[in-house]
Amino acid sequence: DGGITQSPKYLFRKEGQNVTLSCEQNLNHDAMYWYRQDPGQGLRLIYYSQIVNDFQKGDIAEGYSVSREKKESFPLTVTSAQKNPTAFYLCASSTIDTTYEQYFGPGTRLTVT
Amino acid sequence: AQSVTQPDIHITVSEGASLELRCNYSYGATPYLFWYVQSPGQGLQLLLKYFSGDTLVQGIKGFEAEFKRSQSSFNLRKPSVHWSDAAEYFCAVGALNTGNQFYFGTGTSLTVIP
Repeated sequence: DGGITQSPKYLFRKEGQNVTLSCEQNLNHDAMYWYRQDPGQGLRLIYYSQIVNDFQKGDIAEGYSVSREKKESFPLTVTSAQKNPTAFYLCASSTIDTTYEQYFGPGTRLTVT
Repeated sequence: AQSVTQPDIHITVSEGASLELRCNYSYGATPYLFWYVQSPGQGLQLLLKYFSGDTLVQGIKGFEAEFKRSQSSFNLRKPSVHWSDAAEYFCAVGALNTGNQFYFGTGTSLTVIP
């Protein structure tokens, strides 16, 4: 089955540590996205990538970094510079021609204490 | 500025009753409109989408939505709600040539009571 996988489902870290969230897709989509979800705020775009080795900042990129070394993978690193990292993180993908129709993974809940 | 508004934070309906979730948008370009559903701790599942043509669109799980350009609305409806419909519902808007920006509303939480 084609889809998007995110791992792990739950992640716990101590404040001051960097943490990397995994996102893999086998839909052959060129574009991939990372969103952050907080209660009552909907989804906010962190980063997106339309092609390997290229990515763009979204609305809330500060404190985050990404890489896109393979078409199938788009890992997100939450750095210690992110002031409030505890949140639910969603990865999505789409074709280049239909970037307005995105498919979502199951999400990773990150808790930083 | 582009935005999506879901005025109802939380709605409670009885099982078997009809449902309407409201969505209003503000968008400079011709919008593409979407409704997603999210069960607790899960990702988002696409319920339905509107690109063009017939303004009443049918989706999965018995949901439908109507695009009303004059009201900048895209309300989601279901004639008879099932207990399994309890979830968070998100309206979203996107368009071509927007730098891949895809705007979500803040969501409406649906509770279904027996």
